[in-house]
Amino acid sequence: DAGVTQSPTHLIKTRGQHVTLRCSPISGHKSVSWYQQVLGQGPQFIFQYYEKEERGRGNFPDRFSARQFPNYSSELNVNALLLGDSALYLCASSHLLGAYGYTFGSGTRLTVV
Amino acid sequence: QKEVEQDPGPLSVPEGAIVSLNCTYSNSAFQYFMWYRQYSRKGPELLMYTYSSGNKEDGRFTAQVDKSSKYISLFIRDSQPSDSATYLCAMSDGGGANNLFFGTGTRLTVIP
Repeated sequence: DAGVTQSPTHLIKTRGQHVTLRCSPISGHKSVSWYQQVLGQGPQFIFQYYEKEERGRGNFPDRFSARQFPNYSSELNVNALLLGDSALYLCASSHLLGAYGYTFGSGTRLTVV
Repeated sequence: QKEVEQDPGPLSVPEGAIVSLNCTYSNSAFQYFMWYRQYSRKGPELLMYTYSSGNKEDGRFTAQVDKSSKYISLFIRDSQPSDSATYLCAMSDGGGANNLFFGTGTRLTVIP
């Protein structure tokens, strides 16, 4: 059974550009969460979606947005990229909203130059 | 002050040693406590999960939670070179969003 898949694996963007990151959860998982992991730090919560509705938002600016599709896959969008947005973006899925059942993908490494 | 504090290390131990990893936290509402292992260029992998205070053992791994001290630990017995990774503690209050609050991570190297 496939795990959480994220695309692309690596991405280089220029300051001011827009980026879209994609995530496919484990089959049957209805909850998708997004985390940002800056080098040398632990992941920080960005968004959680469950059944296509936003259930939580972390302390990130409005340049960050996300959505979940009917097949439970998800997109994370970041506008007006800053150098500080360079990080590993992790997607995690779970069957329910439970905080213990998360499975993480390998992430998308975004570099903003 | 960060909600979750974790010594970033790095920590180097000889193969077979007992490893102790620790985190402290400030939010008394946290009820769910987890330890993740993260290899280079990979996402975090759930190792241990504990609800509220107490101990939990799984093979060579033991997780301890002391809510009165706001302190959690992970012990690794008979450490192996394959245990070399970054270990992240994470916790949640189990509220509506169920988002996880992570520590910085401790980088562990087990030397053969």
